[in-house]
Order: sequence, then structure tokens, then C-alpha cells
Amino acid sequence: DIVMTQSPESLAVSLGERATINCKSSQSVLHSSNSKNYLAWYQQKPGQPPKVLIYWASTRDSGVPDRFSGSGSGTDFTLTISSLQAEDVAVYYCQQYYSQYTFGQGTKLEIK
Amino acid sequence: QVHLVQSGAEVKKPGASVKVSCKISGYSVTELSMHWVRQAPGKEPEWLGGYDAEYGKTIYAQKFQGRVTMTEDTSTDTAHMELSRLRSEDTAVYYCTTWTRLEVQSPFDYWGQGTLVTVSS
Repeated sequence: DIVMTQSPESLAVSLGERATINCKSSQSVLHSSNSKNYLAWYQQKPGQPPKVLIYWASTRDSGVPDRFSGSGSGTDFTLTISSLQAEDVAVYYCQQYYSQYTFGQGTKLEIK
Repeated sequence: QVHLVQSGAEVKKPGASVKVSCKISGYSVTELSMHWVRQAPGKEPEWLGGYDAEYGKTIYAQKFQGRVTMTEDTSTDTAHMELSRLRSEDTAVYYCTTWTRLEVQSPFDYWGQGTLVTVSS
């Protein structure tokens, strides 16, 4: 199984400031046939299922604000929120879909 | 647009089985790759299995092999997930989930509301 490791476990950022979450996979999720990284980012708020923000490591899903961006390739990935808003308080998960599906342990994002 | 509505909460004793249903609207079940994910309290989501369009069959996470069965009723567009030999560690919210992108592999865009399964003696 591909193991996904996120850092940090929790993060407190001031409103309007940048938040950065990292994700590392135990093996590459870059598919040689199409040069795509099989990596997604989700946001989860209490009592709700996860919501996809980013897929193919850097493609924003429909309706996701452009303050959310994803980067990275191979085994190292980053989710960046450029200017934190109050509604961004949530737990964020990375997920690989290269070989079955596994999630990172999550990063809890709070307001400082 | 896909809409997924799951069956209600369940309380089961250790060793019993549970069957969770997921009614699909907006698409027929044969047009989708249905998957099941669970989430224990305070933990990350965990994939149990789902339909793999590349291989044309349902695949299960190794951890659940022999204990989980996923089926589909095409007459009612309903997906089912049955987990047997329950233990306390199976207490979690169980979700059905899927996507509509034209990809064999994709993250999960659509989720049911979740079904809480509690295993307790």
C-alpha cells in the first residue's frame, strides 16, 4: 500500500495570511503513461463528508476558490491557501489514487 | 449531478454483520464506479473497496478481504456494502462515494450523507 504522510498535524494561521500543508507519498504517484500525478486534496468540515479541492495534484475542482492551489510531483506535494478566510477552517487530507486509494492522516487548520 | 442517499444508523454486537445501502439518483448505478469509504471518529478516511472499471470488477482493500461484500441492484439503482464479523474497531461513519469524470481512476466527487455504524456489546 502507498502510505501518505502529511505535515504539520495542525496549523494556526492569521486571517489573510498564507497556509501551507505538505504531503509525502511512500512511492511515486506520477504515472509515466500520461505524466499525471494521481494526487488529490480534500477539505472536511465537521459533520460533512470530504470535499475535493484539487486533483491531478494541481487542478482546482469546479467552484473551488482560486486562493487554493496545489503543487508538487512524484512523492512530494503541497496545498497552499494564499489568503486564509474564516470559512477555510477545516481538516485537510491528501489522497493518492494511483494504486487503489489511501489518505493522509489529516491537517487541522485553525485561525490564529 | 449525482445524488447519494444512504440508509440509517446501525448498532450491532461484535461478531454480527451490517449491510449499508446507497440509493443513487441522477445516474444509473451501471454508469458509475461506486466505492465505499469509512471514517472512524477523529481519524482519516479509509477506503474499503469499489468497482474498478479498468479490470471490470469490484476490488477490495486487502485489510477487508473476506469480510466485505459490495453489490449493486440495477433495478433500483442502489449500491450495498456488507461487512461481517464486526468488532469494536469497525465503529465508524461509512460513506458511499463516486465520481462522474471520464477517468478510470479519479478522486471522489460525490458522497452520501454517511451511515454511522456502532459496534458495541
